[in-house]
Amino acid sequence: DAGITQSPRYKITETGRQVTLMCHQTWSHSYMFWYRQDLGHGLRLIYYSAAADITDKGEVPDGYVVSRSKTENFPLTLESATRSQTSVYFCASSESTGRDWIFGPGTRLTVL
Amino acid sequence: KQEVTQIPAALSVPEGENLVLNCSFTDSAIYNLQWFRQDPGKGLTSLLLIQSSQREQTSGRLNASLDKSSGRSTLYIAASQPGDSATYLCAVKETSYDKVIFGPGTSLSVIP
Repeated sequence: DAGITQSPRYKITETGRQVTLMCHQTWSHSYMFWYRQDLGHGLRLIYYSAAADITDKGEVPDGYVVSRSKTENFPLTLESATRSQTSVYFCASSESTGRDWIFGPGTRLTVL
Repeated sequence: KQEVTQIPAALSVPEGENLVLNCSFTDSAIYNLQWFRQDPGKGLTSLLLIQSSQREQTSGRLNASLDKSSGRSTLYIAASQPGDSATYLCAVKETSYDKVIFGPGTSLSVIP
């Protein structure tokens, strides 16, 4: 995990609050991804980005916003957190061929 | 819509046994397939990547095969060790998109 970091690692927040999860990679990978992992659903793609200023929706984008002004950063914002967004969030990066996938250590988010 | 399933959901074997994990996908038009390992509370580590034109890949005691026509992949682990205990996930990258779809994973426990 040395090349991709996520912060915070743990977060507890309340319904309705805005929360931003940070992701930073040092590999200069073109692609970055946000996944959430829930029991019974596995890993589901929220948003991904092919390059700076290029983002696209995944399977479950509702309630989330992303931006990518710099190649190395890909923050994920929950505009108004809901209990259903309680999950473990993983950031990942890769080259376009799908090689060299690197996953971050995850952020465990609890929404009360 | 691509769907990825994995059987079994959980597996417990004695140390030294050879074992096979299964992955199935519904749409054979894939770009590649990867097997990942996830340790409890950690991110994912890529184990093997098979391009759509390949039939198998090997790394140490691991061998992954791909049969696109039948929508199946297997991960073979030889001479299992307690350190192999983890959750194993397969993921397919779709040809036309950059998204990667994950299976739910198989939780493996190797008993000393």
